[in-house]
Amino acid sequence: SYELTQPSSVSVSPGQTARITCSGDILAKKYARWFQQKPGQAPVLVIYKDSERPSGIPERFSGSSSGTTVTLTISGAQVEDEADYYCYSAADNNQVFGGGTKLTVL
Amino acid sequence: EVQLVESGGGPVKPGGSLRLSCAVSGFTFDFYSMNWVRQAPGKGLEWVSSISSSSDYTDYADSVKGRFTISRDNAKNSLYLQMNSLRAEDTAVYYCARELDVWGKGTTVTVSS
Repeated sequence: SYELTQPSSVSVSPGQTARITCSGDILAKKYARWFQQKPGQAPVLVIYKDSERPSGIPERFSGSSSGTTVTLTISGAQVEDEADYYCYSAADNNQVFGGGTKLTVL
Repeated sequence: EVQLVESGGGPVKPGGSLRLSCAVSGFTFDFYSMNWVRQAPGKGLEWVSSISSSSDYTDYADSVKGRFTISRDNAKNSLYLQMNSLRAEDTAVYYCARELDVWGKGTTVTVSS
């Protein structure tokens, strides 16, 4: 089965750029998605197909891919972006989430 | 407005059974595959099961294979998860999700003696 590896935490000051990485062999051949989850709430899709942004998601959220690593970038992070972020991918009947990254903005 | 509303969670003893339901509205249900994803207390997301739009394909995480069964009733716009032989490690919030792009608020399952 596949695994996706994320840093457990990332911290930035408001207005700075936050970058969260996700690594795994599956990412070399399959797209990734990113989900944002705030405490007590359901996850929200913020990026799909590595870099596409769903409608309603602020432009400061972007995604990129290189080899077996995908990166979620929040340009000019705001206090309300503080949340857990999960990457996800699927292949060969395996659907896997990364372990999650707690983003602190303060 | 797209809505997914889970129900059926609650306390259950180890070895017991529960059936979760997910009622959907605001989109053409039988156009989409559906998923169950769970989150144990203080832990990350874990994909549990998927079902294709016409129910001809289902898939399960190894951790639930043989114990859980996913199904859907397109006439009733509803998704189900039959959970048997429940274990303490199945304790979690269970979310239904439309192709993982839209999620319900979840229902809590607690397995404890």
